[in-house]
Amino acid sequence: DAMVIQNPRYQVTQFGKPVTLSCSQTLNHNVMYWYQQKSSQAPKLLFHYYDKDFNNEADTPDNFQSRRPNTSFCFLDIRSPGLGDAAMYLCATSRENGGVWETQYFGPGTRLLVL
Amino acid sequence: GQNIDQPTEMTATEGAIVQINCTYQTSGFNGLFWYQQHAGEAPTFLSYNVLDGLEEKGRFSSFLSRSKGYSYLLLKELQMKDSASYLCAVWDSNYQLIWGAGTKLIIKP
Repeated sequence: DAMVIQNPRYQVTQFGKPVTLSCSQTLNHNVMYWYQQKSSQAPKLLFHYYDKDFNNEADTPDNFQSRRPNTSFCFLDIRSPGLGDAAMYLCATSRENGGVWETQYFGPGTRLLVL
Repeated sequence: GQNIDQPTEMTATEGAIVQINCTYQTSGFNGLFWYQQHAGEAPTFLSYNVLDGLEEKGRFSSFLSRSKGYSYLLLKELQMKDSASYLCAVWDSNYQLIWGAGTKLIIKP
């Protein structure tokens, strides 16, 4: 089945220790998103890739970086996690074709715990 | 600014009907989504409305009024597994998804 996969599902890291979260998709979607979601809050868009074009949200901290080496994979790097970065990180994909945008589909998320 | 409002929490009884409202103020409009999110899991797509009116899909229906900036999600024949958060999200003029904080729905036997 075509899907969005996130690994790991749970990640524990230490304060200040770099961590990388991964996302892969078999939907062949050209747009990939990273969201941060804290308890009882709306998902907050961190950045998205339109093909290889990287689009950073204005209020995304510099501590957060992303890489998309190919269509299928996208990574979220947190360079120096703080306690406030503990959250669920959601990867989503979508397709845009000729100005027509399609629904975003989400992976299962990675829950990050910072000790 | 862009804003989406929905109730924080609602309670309903198994087998009953519940309506979750959403009002929005966004820079442009290209459609409205409802997602279901169980605790600790990712949002899953429920419905998409871009034209005024009611879209029915099994036990779930979604309504949109663009002139009023208003939508609702109607859940019929509630089951315990429907206990979840329901998030309203709007595509703005740039096809950015603007999210509400979600409505936590509690189903009681």
